[in-house]
Amino acid sequence: GIQVEQSPPDLILQEGANSTLRCNFSDSVNNLQWFHQNPWGQLINLFYIPSGTKQNGRLSATTVATERYSLLYISSSQTTDSGVYFCAVNYKLSFGAGTTVTVRA
Amino acid sequence: GAVVSQHPSRVICKSGTSVKIECRSLDFQATTMFWYRQFPKQSLMLMATSNEGSKATYEQGVEKDKFLINHASLTLSTLTVTSAHPEDSSFYICSAVVGQLNGYTFGSGTRLTVV
Repeated sequence: GIQVEQSPPDLILQEGANSTLRCNFSDSVNNLQWFHQNPWGQLINLFYIPSGTKQNGRLSATTVATERYSLLYISSSQTTDSGVYFCAVNYKLSFGAGTTVTVRA
Repeated sequence: GAVVSQHPSRVICKSGTSVKIECRSLDFQATTMFWYRQFPKQSLMLMATSNEGSKATYEQGVEKDKFLINHASLTLSTLTVTSAHPEDSSFYICSAVVGQLNGYTFGSGTRLTVV
């Protein structure tokens, strides 16, 4: 099956810092999503982005489908951004291993 | 927005007993739901796809007789862990596709501990 790799595995940020999370996938995809899992386990859909660029507040994402990667940008990070960020591909959502983000005040 | 309600949020059961987890779509009809399992500090692994009115489709390596899935209505899917063992302890999450492909919504998860 398709392989989804995320980097870095862990990220520690000072409040206000910017960061970039990466998702590489091994085959062409018809769906790519970014999710945030909060410390209590709830998953929230951030972006549906099989290609192109989208922005939502301090978060933005870019997918270059031809090169099989996607990037999630967090700007001016806040402590509430802490949690695990997953990318997932295709209809049944094959998940990457996630990036654990810790934002310190 | 679309909400999936998952219950219970936490359950402790004895080895050998069965546990039922429910996922309800509150304000939309979910013809398809997905069930995932997540071990601590790991990713989500798809267990099965639940389709209303038909048999669930299980992923390779998932025991159908152990993880019984029923999707009898457009708003309710259940996962029953039968004859639970300590190795079944995990975080179970359901999700549903809402409308267009980009609308996935997740239940809040069930933390199962088998003692």
